[in-house]
Amino acid sequence: SQQGEEDPQALSIQEGENATMNCSYKTSINNLQWYRQNSGRGLVHLILIRSNEREKHSGRLRVTLDTSKKSSSLLITASRAADTASYFCATDDGTASKLTFGTGTRLQVTL
Amino acid sequence: DAGVIQSPRHEVTEMGQEVTLRCKPISGHNSLFWYRQTMMRGLELLIYFNNNVPIDDSGMPEDRFSAKMPNASFSTLKIQPSEPRDSAVYFCASSLNYGYTFGSGTRLTVV
Repeated sequence: SQQGEEDPQALSIQEGENATMNCSYKTSINNLQWYRQNSGRGLVHLILIRSNEREKHSGRLRVTLDTSKKSSSLLITASRAADTASYFCATDDGTASKLTFGTGTRLQVTL
Repeated sequence: DAGVIQSPRHEVTEMGQEVTLRCKPISGHNSLFWYRQTMMRGLELLIYFNNNVPIDDSGMPEDRFSAKMPNASFSTLKIQPSEPRDSAVYFCASSLNYGYTFGSGTRLTVV
């Protein structure tokens, strides 16, 4: 079963707007990661947030983690058409040895 | 670095035939993962290796699937005999600590 569930399943915004995607998970984790997948390609690692962190930034990306609610969010600011992709959260099994991926959010950024 | 290399990129085969998917991980990475991606089931972990040793194969669907990692630079995923429901994109990923690097995947179609 999927450890992470993303919300929304699909999101369409205009270039320049911010995009927020949410992820909920079920069990304790060491860290949570976000990945991006362009159509027909493999997943690309974006950012990792550890269970003792609450917020992390990387360029136009901001990730938050609330372990009490078992949820995370990914914010992409000032979106660009090139951000169009599917975004997945991934959680480990507590041992950091393997990742379970969520269902993904399909983001469409239009000009 | 050429990244994780998978071959072939596309494979079309008839039901009942043997299929072998290949993966070359990033040099120095000590963990290798095989995932399957479908619209219905998302990304599923099939099996992963640590230092060439299979650690968890609980995701392998059935005995028709087998995976090997004879050395640190090569892994195979074999399906014998193949069935139409095996049609999917198969990804290989490798990692050293945190953060996976994915290959571009093999799109398998079993007719």
